[in-house]
Order: sequence, then structure tokens, then C-alpha cells
Amino acid sequence: ETGVTQTPRHLVMGMTNKKSLKCEQHLGHNAMYWYKQSAKKPLELMFVYNFKEQTENNSVPSRFSPECPNSSHLFLHLHTLQPEDSALYLCASSQDVISGRRTDTQYFGPGTRLTVL
Amino acid sequence: AQKVTQAQTEISVVEKEDVTLDCVYETRDTTYYLFWYKQPPSGELVFLIRRNSFDEQNEISGRYSWNFQKSTSSFNFTITASQVVDSAVYFCALSEARSGNTGKLIFGQGTTLQVKP
Repeated sequence: ETGVTQTPRHLVMGMTNKKSLKCEQHLGHNAMYWYKQSAKKPLELMFVYNFKEQTENNSVPSRFSPECPNSSHLFLHLHTLQPEDSALYLCASSQDVISGRRTDTQYFGPGTRLTVL
Repeated sequence: AQKVTQAQTEISVVEKEDVTLDCVYETRDTTYYLFWYKQPPSGELVFLIRRNSFDEQNEISGRYSWNFQKSTSSFNFTITASQVVDSAVYFCALSEARSGNTGKLIFGQGTTLQVKP
């Protein structure tokens, strides 16, 4: 049991829909991450939040909008997506590291399999 | 630039065979961390091991063992007496511990291991 849950597990949406992915961690961590895993491509980091503050946006298109209301919850709001956005979206969390060096192990949720029609 | 290469795209073995998954990394940092994750068909990435750059001792955990060699920038993973439940995609990842780094993980492309009964 990793302690990171994601809902929904599967999502099919049209290009004009608006939907949200939810991630919750029960590990007492302070950092949370969104990754995208496309077929035949390495996992790509999308966003990083540390103590609710966004610390990294890896040049993600604005049709993906993250939200981190507290250290335990992370959302990814989706709107006007493209078919090429179909992928497995993984959430992860890690304990923050003292002195600004974040080298902790990241623990992943089961992912949301997104299909954009 | 940081990079992780897993040259083996797919490996197929018969149960009880030993199998080694290769991982080669590139980094200019002297302090870094290496990870292995397992991704079963369910999609969740399961953490297997974390190793820092100052610890070159090999590690064994049950049927799993890891061989870290800084001289060749490799961090290989061996499964002894493989089992069908070992079938999964295995990812090697690198994180640099520079001050201010967000803990970004650089993943390899993954190796799909199929263990046949």
C-alpha cells in the first residue's frame, strides 16, 4: 500500500469537456507531483508542489491547470484537451528535505488512465 | 545534462531464470540519487530501491540485487529465480541533489520484463 490514491482511475472525455483529476496522499508528505506517461515515452514531470506552493512547471500547456489546496491533496483540472493528451497521469508525493535539497523517495499513486476523444 | 538509458526495451525469460536489467546514467553532479521502480499492469509505480552516489555497496533484498558502479555510471538490477509475478515494466531513475533542485526524477524509457511459466 503506497498511501497515495487517485480518482478516477479511468476517464474518457471529449475535447470540449472540463474534468478534474484528484490525488490524495496519506503519508504526511509535503511535496506532491504530477507526471504524464504516454505510450512509448518516458515519464514526464509536469508540476511540483512543495508546502502547497508550485515550485516547478515543466512547460505544461495551459489546458492543464493544477491546484494544491493543502499538502495532502492535489488536483489537475483539464479543459479543451487534445487527443494527444491521452495518457496515464500519475501523482506522487515525497517528504520535504531539510536545507532545500529534495532528494526524498517519491511514492506514486495508481494513476488515472485518460482518453481524449 | 542528466539522462538515464535503459537499452533493453523488452526481456522475456522463463520462470526461475535469473535476469539483469541494465541502467546507465549521465550526470555532472557529484551528489545524486538513483532509483528503481516497478510498474505492474495495474499502473502504479512501486518503489524498489534508492541509492546515493556515495554508497557503492551492492545491495540484496530477497531475490533482488543491485550493482552500482560509478566507474561505468551503471546501476543494474538483477532478479534471481524470476517468477511470473515479476512481470512488469521496470524503470530506473536519477535525481540530482543540488541545492534548490525540486527532486525532479529523470526516468529511463523502462524495460518490460515478461516471465513465462
